[in-house]
Amino acid sequence: DIQMTQSPSTLSASVGDRVTITCRASQSISTWLAWYQQKPGKAPKLLIYQASTLERGVPSRFSGSASGTEFTLTISSLQPDDFATYYCQQYNGYSRTFGQGTKVEIK
Amino acid sequence: EVQLVQSGGGLVQPGGSLRLSCAASGIFVSNNYMSWVRQAPGKGLEWISLLDSGGNTYYADSVKGRFTISRDISKNTLFLQMSSLRAEDTAVYYCARAPLQLGFDYWGQGTLVTVSS
Repeated sequence: DIQMTQSPSTLSASVGDRVTITCRASQSISTWLAWYQQKPGKAPKLLIYQASTLERGVPSRFSGSASGTEFTLTISSLQPDDFATYYCQQYNGYSRTFGQGTKVEIK
Repeated sequence: EVQLVQSGGGLVQPGGSLRLSCAASGIFVSNNYMSWVRQAPGKGLEWISLLDSGGNTYYADSVKGRFTISRDISKNTLFLQMSSLRAEDTAVYYCARAPLQLGFDYWGQGTLVTVSS
């Protein structure tokens, strides 16, 4: 099974900060990687798919990139609505795996 | 507009069974890949099952042999039949559309399953 290692687990930041979250796959998944945002008591929301394609309606301050088995989610200028938990997820094949999550907190 | 409306959660004793439903509108469960994902209290997301458009099923090791994913085309509804439930199955369960190129793009509202005596 493919394992996804996400870091950091918690991140403290201020409005306007540039924020980066990293996810590493245990083996090659090409670019079959998605990023989600989840707020308490709500279902996750798809932000990015195929490592770098922004889902429609998602603000352009969110971006994704890939280098081999390492993937990055960047928020260019953190906004108040962005304080949430973020998850990566691989979908290379029928088995899907999530990273452990990164909680973005107010500094 | 796509909507996935879930029902069927609740309290069940260890060893018991429960069936979750996910009624779809705006899409057809028959020609989409559909999945179940769960989240234990205070924990991360865990993928547990996938049903592809051809009717093939896939499961995480944690639920294999105990859970069954299925669909009713006439009702446009996805199901998760859960049996031999354990305390560690306590979680909010989400259904989601799972297209191969996107991940999970549409989600249900989630339903809480509590396994406790």
